[in-house]
Formats: sequence, structure tokens, C-alpha cells
Amino acid sequence: DAKTTQPNSMESNEEEPVHLPCNHSTISGTDYIHWYRQLPSQGPEYVIHGLTSNVNNRMASLAIAEDRKSSTLILHRATLRDAAVYYCILRDMNRDDKIIFGKGTRLHILP
Amino acid sequence: DAGVIQSPRHEVTEMGQEVTLRCKPISGHNSLFWYRQTMMRGLELLIYFNNNVPIDDSGMPEDRFSAKMPNASFSTLKIQPSEPRDSAVYFCASSQLNTGELFFGEGSRLTVL
Repeated sequence: DAKTTQPNSMESNEEEPVHLPCNHSTISGTDYIHWYRQLPSQGPEYVIHGLTSNVNNRMASLAIAEDRKSSTLILHRATLRDAAVYYCILRDMNRDDKIIFGKGTRLHILP
Repeated sequence: DAGVIQSPRHEVTEMGQEVTLRCKPISGHNSLFWYRQTMMRGLELLIYFNNNVPIDDSGMPEDRFSAKMPNASFSTLKIQPSEPRDSAVYFCASSQLNTGELFFGEGSRLTVL
């Protein structure tokens, strides 16, 4: 399985933007970059995914490097409810459907 | 839609007892995943099904664990006999084949004494 590397934890102030980095230097051409987050005492929830182009949705933006070896999840204005563990995952949508979660980044939001 | 439904939400049992966890995926989804989460090991993929067929069970810890999906709307994860080290939160998730989004249930918290 392709691997990703994320910082163990990050802190951000409330109402400020947050940039969560992810390195995936061994990404293959058919790997999509997925982000999930897990709020306390809940199951993971989908945030966003992309292949090559930057993506935006109501929750976040995903910025993908031109060489695709890294990506950044952007929360434009963090709230206390965004405190969670954020997982960056590679998924080959053509080959199989496994989704393997790493350790993720624990995001702390300071009021 | 009600989302992925898991039962029971909590179970406390004694070592050696059989445990059965249940999952109802979202209607129309044809992939189903079972995960286990502990503080030490994080989220581990145990097994997943496509169109009710087990595709990869390499994450199942040992023969004490078994999973079935008799139809598109129901799956079970069974542990027999249970051991204290099986204590964890077990999540079920479903998705449509080859799409981006995995939907998780609220999990079943298992405590084996």
C-alpha cells in the first residue's frame, strides 16, 4: 500500500486558517488523495478527495502539489468543532478498494 | 437515509464468550468494510466485501474472528472465543464501488473482561 506521512499533531487558533500537510512521495499515477477526519467519540467522516487538480467543497480545500508528492488540506476558518484527527490516505480506485488509515494528525484548536 | 447502522453500540462480555457485531450498510452501497480501533494500533482494516464477496481478509487477527455478508443489507463480525485483547471500537463502513466516499457507522465498543 502506498504510504503517507503526516505530523502527529498541530495547533491552530480559532477562526484562523489551518494548513494540514501530507507527504506521499511514492504515489502512483492512479492513486487518489483522500482526507478523512475523526471527531472525538465518532467514526471517521469523509472530508475531500482529489487526483491532480485542487479541489474545494463546503468543508475544506485540497491543494495538490504539481508533482503530486504532497498535498495540503486547508480549513479556511477553523472552529472548535474542527478539533479532530485528520487522516490523509491514498486509494487506487482502479486496482482495489482498500482504505488503510495511518496515524493521522491530531488538530487542536485554541479558543 | 439512516446511514450505516451498527449494533450493539456497547457490549461488555467475559473472556471466552462469543461476540457478534452487526452492520447494516447504506442502501445501494456495494462495498462494506470492518475496522477495529484501539489507542495502541489506531484504525485497522479487518476485512472488506465487494458485492457481498469477501475480497481481502488479511487484516483479520486470527481464526477466532470471522465475518459474513449474507446479503447486500447485512453483515456480521463474530469473535469466538473473545479475549481481553479484543477490547476495541469496531467500525463498519460502506461505499459504492470505486467512488471516493466511505461512510462510517457510529461503532460498537467492545469490552472483554
